Amino acid sequence: GAGVSQSPSNKVTEKGKDVELRCDPISGHTALYWYRQSLGQGLEFLIYFQGNSAPDKSGLPSDRFSAERTGGSVSTLTIQRTQQEDSAVYLCASSPEGPGANVLTFGAGSRLTVL
Amino acid sequence: SQKIEQNSEALNIQEGKTATLTCNYTNYSPAYLQWYRQDPGRGPVFLLLIRENEKEKRKERLKVTFDTTLKQSLFHITASQPADSATYLCALDPSGYALNFGKGTSLLVTP
Repeated sequence: GAGVSQSPSNKVTEKGKDVELRCDPISGHTALYWYRQSLGQGLEFLIYFQGNSAPDKSGLPSDRFSAERTGGSVSTLTIQRTQQEDSAVYLCASSPEGPGANVLTFGAGSRLTVL
Repeated sequence: SQKIEQNSEALNIQEGKTATLTCNYTNYSPAYLQWYRQDPGRGPVFLLLIRENEKEKRKERLKVTFDTTLKQSLFHITASQPADSATYLCALDPSGYALNFGKGTSLLVTP
């Protein structure tokens, strides 16, 4: 597509429920990144994909968080047993290649609210 | 530990003036540094990239400097306009995998 698409744009869930957030990167971009932005905070790196592989999962906050990417394209970030501290905007970005002086193109984000 | 520091206080300036935003970093040896703009409810948008061997980079009304000795980058917007009001983020690549972002500085340009 022309840009990075994320869905849903807004998600309200109850504590303890599982949520799935989807990212559709720019066509042909091999690198995909997930970040989290809490209110008034900076972007917190979660995970990076090169193709379908995730060489860097170091930012995932806990084992309740997981992500996958299929077909070198769409990625899903799953949060199990959501907690209130998971409330944030989850941003996805893609770039044409892997690490290096690559420019990231971000989606508009998925705003998650855990009640 | 690695840190990226941007002024957390909002910068308020009058239209037509030059806005200067600062990004300081510690415990990094970045090969390059990037600046992004973020508007409310939107993802960051790339503005400029400057490499370690470049002292200065310009794009239209934007200018970025990079001093690897001082470990600092300055971001300038000349002839500022109310439409320039946004949060500006600097970003460094610590590991070759993912960019690390500062918390950003909010800029408000008033008519």
